[in-house]
Amino acid sequence: DARVTQTPRHKVTEMGQEVTMRCQPILGHNTVFWYRQTMMQGLELLAYFRNRAPLDDSGMPKDRFSAEMPDATLATLKIQPSEPRDSAVYFCASGLAKVGGQFFGPGTRLTVL
Amino acid sequence: KQEVTQIPAALSVPEGENLVLNCSFTDSAIYNLQWFRQDPGKGLTSLLLIQSSQREQTSGRLNASLDKSSGRSTLYIAASQPGDSATYLCALMIKAAGNKLTFGGGTRVLVKP
Repeated sequence: DARVTQTPRHKVTEMGQEVTMRCQPILGHNTVFWYRQTMMQGLELLAYFRNRAPLDDSGMPKDRFSAEMPDATLATLKIQPSEPRDSAVYFCASGLAKVGGQFFGPGTRLTVL
Repeated sequence: KQEVTQIPAALSVPEGENLVLNCSFTDSAIYNLQWFRQDPGKGLTSLLLIQSSQREQTSGRLNASLDKSSGRSTLYIAASQPGDSATYLCALMIKAAGNKLTFGGGTRVLVKP
């Protein structure tokens, strides 16, 4: 049963702390996406990768957010330092370029106090 | 810029009634269109993926149509059940944006027993 997995599922931290979220895309998928969802803004695309190369991170606050794919089975999203306004659910999705649509993980619910 | 609109924003129907959810878009140069379901506090579940060359897709009680000339897609859910209560989102992969999805605002559905 191929699924996107994300860890941790929940994270509560204090302002100023570093947060790292991890995603394992579906094996064989060559595109990976990071989204953030809030009640106010809905779903926002933060960054995406194709074949591990970052193609677009224009949706991401560059001063504090960074996204990487150390290898084809792991994508990371890091926030340093975290702020209360970063509180949201962060989703990872993967897919096959152009053809296959996107399949979402269960999300990481982040609360920054 | 691609605009994706879902009307109505919310819908309430009695159990057993057929559901008709609408999605309209302004740019017909798309790779595919995807319908998702999101339950409160959960991730997005892919329901149906329609490629640009297709007119419809079916899965069980779900049927989605795509009419690029009029910029519309419709998701039909036959014989609705209380378990169908969720938010339904359509998303388009448009050619001008590479592999990125453009989401509609969603339709929140409540099926009353």
